[in-house]
Formats: sequence, C-alpha cells, structure tokens
Amino acid sequence: QKEVEQDPGPLSVPEGAIVSLNCTYSNSAFQYFMWYRQYSRKGPELLMYTYSSGNKEDGRFTAQVDKSSKYISLFIRDSQPSDSATYLCAMTGANNLFFGTGTRLTVIP
Amino acid sequence: GAVVSQHPSRVICKSGTSVKIECRSLDFQATTMFWYRQFPKQSLMLMATSNEGSKATYEQGVEKDKFLINHASLTLSTLTVTSAHPEDSSFYICSARSGSSLAKNIQYFGAGTRLSVL
Repeated sequence: QKEVEQDPGPLSVPEGAIVSLNCTYSNSAFQYFMWYRQYSRKGPELLMYTYSSGNKEDGRFTAQVDKSSKYISLFIRDSQPSDSATYLCAMTGANNLFFGTGTRLTVIP
Repeated sequence: GAVVSQHPSRVICKSGTSVKIECRSLDFQATTMFWYRQFPKQSLMLMATSNEGSKATYEQGVEKDKFLINHASLTLSTLTVTSAHPEDSSFYICSARSGSSLAKNIQYFGAGTRLSVL
C-alpha cells in the first residue's frame, strides 16, 4: 500500500465551479500536511500547509485535515482558468515528504 | 514567503559531459536541502537529502558517484550529473527546508532544471 493515495484525474471543471481535491494516507505519524500547485515544467509551489487536524482558509482555498479518517482535502472556490495545474498533496512526520501522485486540474473558461 | 532559486532552468549537453545544477535559498537558511527527479506526468522522486556540512544521504537505487551533491553552505547546494547519458534526461528539482522551529517541516521548491542529454 502506498503511503499517500491521490486520484490522478484528470479533472475538468467550468470556470466558477468549486473544486474538491483529496488524498488519503496510511501513516498515522504524519503531522504536517501540505498542498502544492505545479504548473507545467515548473517546480511545485506551496499553497497551504496544516498542522494536525482542522481547517485552514486562504482566499479561495480551504484545506481540511481529518486525522481520524486519514483524509485530507483542498477546496478551491470560484475556480479560475489560472488554477489549471497539477495539485500535489504532501505530508510528513519529521523528515521526508511523502507525495501523492498529483491531480491534474483544468478549469475551462 | 521563502524563495528557492534553481539554476539553470534548462540545459542541453552532449553525452559524456558533466552538468552542475545550483540551488539557493534566497531569504532563509536551509539546514537541509533535497534533490528530486520527476518524470513526465509522474510525481516527484526523492534522490537525496543533504545537510549543510555533511555528506548527502542517497535513496536506494540512486548512484552517488553519478549524482554528486555538495551542500557547502546554509544557502547553497549543488547537484552534478557526471558523465551524463541520454537516460539521465529528466526534470530535476531541488527543495530547501528551514531550520526554524516554525517551519521546519515545510519544503520550498526551486523552479526545476530540465536536462536533455543528446
């Protein structure tokens, strides 16, 4: 079983839609949870990080962590064409990051 | 926010030559830096972890003599691909982690280097 599972998509939504991206994980030692956005041929850009369970909001983005279910989500409200990218979840306990495979999102104008 | 600069962004070289990629943390001290490789439409694969002033720790299957890593200061790490061959063509990305307690588990990534070996 992989440490982190993420649906690779691709996911296509119309502009303005609410997007939900999810990851599950198996290691209960993970404490830090991150979402990165990666545009084609670029390095990942940190969008949000959360420590332990709970919600965190930043503009149109909301990250949720449910440690009891080992499930994390990223919600994008009022999605824009500029949000089209691959979204990677990542998590760590103390050292290395464990990544999901990434979900490719396309927001259609 | 924390900025990591990676150089060059693109390099094309002949088979058998060596290529050096630089990774710099611009506004923070990076006690640990990481080097990843990414194949098309795949996630990042960790190659090695380097701590300032120490030898790098390589992941299983990564040849340390092929991929030389130097982390001589708290703001600079370099990856040298020695005697590059076409199968080394890939997208290489570095990341840096701050030593500060507030963000010690967060990795910030460079923009990546696309290496093409002819």
